[in-house]
Amino acid sequence: AQSVTQPDIHITVSEGASLELRCNYSYGATPYLFWYVQSPGQGLQLLLKYFSGDTLVQGIKGFEAEFKRSQSSFNLRKPSVHWSDAAEYFCAVSGNTGTASKLTFGTGTRLQVTL
Amino acid sequence: GAVVSQHPSWVICKSGTSVKIECRSLDFQATTMFWYRQFPKQSLMLMATSNEGSKATYEQGVEKDKFLINHASLTLSTLTVTSAHPEDSSFYICSAQRDRGYEQYFGPGTRLTVT
Repeated sequence: AQSVTQPDIHITVSEGASLELRCNYSYGATPYLFWYVQSPGQGLQLLLKYFSGDTLVQGIKGFEAEFKRSQSSFNLRKPSVHWSDAAEYFCAVSGNTGTASKLTFGTGTRLQVTL
Repeated sequence: GAVVSQHPSWVICKSGTSVKIECRSLDFQATTMFWYRQFPKQSLMLMATSNEGSKATYEQGVEKDKFLINHASLTLSTLTVTSAHPEDSSFYICSAQRDRGYEQYFGPGTRLTVT
C-alpha cells in the first residue's frame, strides 16, 4: 500500500528565510508525487507535481521540489518565504492507472511565518 | 482551466436530516471524481471514487448507505449525507480527474455542521 510521511507537523520560519518541508513516500513502482497548499477553510491548490523526467521540479509561487528515488523523498523548498506562504502543506502520492490513481496524502505540515 | 466548484460552501443542518453537496467541473469533462473528508487540523481521507454512469467505489470503513454518491454526468457528482448526525460534521472536498493517470483538480470544499 502506498503511504506518505511528513515528519514535521509544524514549522515556523522568519519571513525571507529559506524553507524546506520534508516528504517521504512508500510506493511499489514509479510514483506520481504532488505538493498541495491549503489556506484555512479552503480547498487545495496544486503547487507542483512530478510525473517523470527532470527530478527537480519547479512550481508556482517560487516553490520547487526534488525527487530523490534513492531516499524515497520529495522535499519542497523555497529560497525566501513570504508572510503569505503561511498555510498547511500536503504531500501526496499516486500511481498512474486505474485504482492506483488514487491520491494518498501525508498528514500535512503547518507553516507559520514570523515577520 | 480545470476549475472545480462545490455547492454549497457551507451548510448547517439538523440531526436526522439529509444534505446534498454538489461538485461540478466547470470547464472540462471529468471521467472520475473523488470525495474526501477532512477533520479539523487533519489530512484528507478519501471516502469514495466515482466514475460517470457507474456505482461509486467506497473506501474501507465508509458507509455507502450513509454517504450516497451519484455521478450522473461528466461534469456533476453529488454527495448526499443521509440521516446526518453531529459526528458527520466535517469539511468535504471533491476533486475531478480528466483521464486516468492525470492530476486531480480540487474544489473549494463544503463545511457541514450538524446540530
